[in-house]
Order: sequence, then C-alpha cells, then structure tokens
Amino acid sequence: QKEVEQNSGPLSVPEGAIASLNCTYSDRGSQSFFWYRQYSGKSPELIMFIYSNGDKEDGRFTAQLNKASQYVSLLIRDSQPSDSATYLCAFLSGGYQKVTFGIGTKLQVIP
Amino acid sequence: EADIYQTPRYLVIGTGKKITLECSQTMGHDKMYWYQQDPGMELHLIHYSYGVNSTEKGDLSSESTVSRIRTEHFPLTLESARPSHTSQYLCASSAAGRANTGELFFGEGSRLTVL
Repeated sequence: QKEVEQNSGPLSVPEGAIASLNCTYSDRGSQSFFWYRQYSGKSPELIMFIYSNGDKEDGRFTAQLNKASQYVSLLIRDSQPSDSATYLCAFLSGGYQKVTFGIGTKLQVIP
Repeated sequence: EADIYQTPRYLVIGTGKKITLECSQTMGHDKMYWYQQDPGMELHLIHYSYGVNSTEKGDLSSESTVSRIRTEHFPLTLESARPSHTSQYLCASSAAGRANTGELFFGEGSRLTVL
C-alpha cells in the first residue's frame, strides 16, 4: 500500500464550480498534512496545511482532515482556469519528520 | 518568495561526466531535501539532511551523493552521469524545532538531460 493515495485524474470541472480533491494516507503517526499546487514545469508551492481534525478555510480553499478515516481533502470554490494545475497531497511523518508526497491530481478548469 | 536557489536550471551533458547540482538557501533552515521528479510523475525523496554534517538517503535509491558542510549549502553530485539520470531535481528546505510547520520551500529545480 502506498503511503499516500491520490487519484491522478485528470479531474475536469467547469469554471465557477467546486473542485473536490481527495487523499488518503496510511501512516497513523502523521502529524501535519499539506496541499501543494504544481504548475506544469514549475516547483510545488504550498496552498494549505492542516493538523487538526475538521475544516480549515483560506479564501477559496478549504482543507478537511479526518484522522480516524485517514483522509484529507481540498475543496476549491469558484474554480478558475488559473487553478488548472496538479495538486499534491503530502504529510509530515511523526517519526522521521519527512514530508511524503502523493502522485498528485491533475485539475483542469474548463472556461 | 522563498530564498532558495538552484543552479544550473538546465544541464545537458554526455554520459560518464561528473556533475554537481548546487542548492543554497538564505533562510537559515536546518532541514534540506533533494527530490527527483520525472515529467508528470510523483516526487521522490532521494536525500535529506537535518543539519551540518548530517545526510541520509531518502525513499528512492539514487546513485547520487550529497554533502552538508555549511547550513545554507546542500549540493548533489553524480560521479558518472547516465541517461537513466535524466530527470528534474528539486531542492527544498524547511525550518526545524518550534518553527517547523513542515512547510517545504522549493527551489526552481535543475532539469538534467544525459545524452
């Protein structure tokens, strides 16, 4: 089983819709969870991090964490064509303090 | 904007050559990492360091080596490049201790092509 599971997509949503990205992880000792955005040919950049169960909102982005289900999600409201990118789920392991990435979900926002 | 720099950005080199990819950060971060990423594929951790004179191999086996003589500098070396080493190499850093949220700051990457 992979440490981080993500659907690679592509996920296509129309402009203005809500994009929902999901991720599951296997390490129950994970402390913090991250969503990075990576445009084609560019480096990843952090969008959100969350470490407590529940929701965390930042502008159009909402991260949701459920540690019991080992599940983290990212909602993007009012999706824009500029949101088209690959979204990487990642977690910080408790033991080695390493950040492990999922394969990423490619999001396409259709104008 | 993150202050982490990688050089060269692009390198095309012949088989058997020795190469060093440079990575420097000015944020005083103790933790530094090298990730390898093929186009459209996931990031794989190949090396990391928790501080000066500390280096560890990552999850993906790599023929490259790293050194950490100074906090701000974390170069990656391939003694004899091969076509299988063709990839993008991303350097990252993060704070340690109480300042550590786990956030990684990435450089712009070094795209290596071995002919």
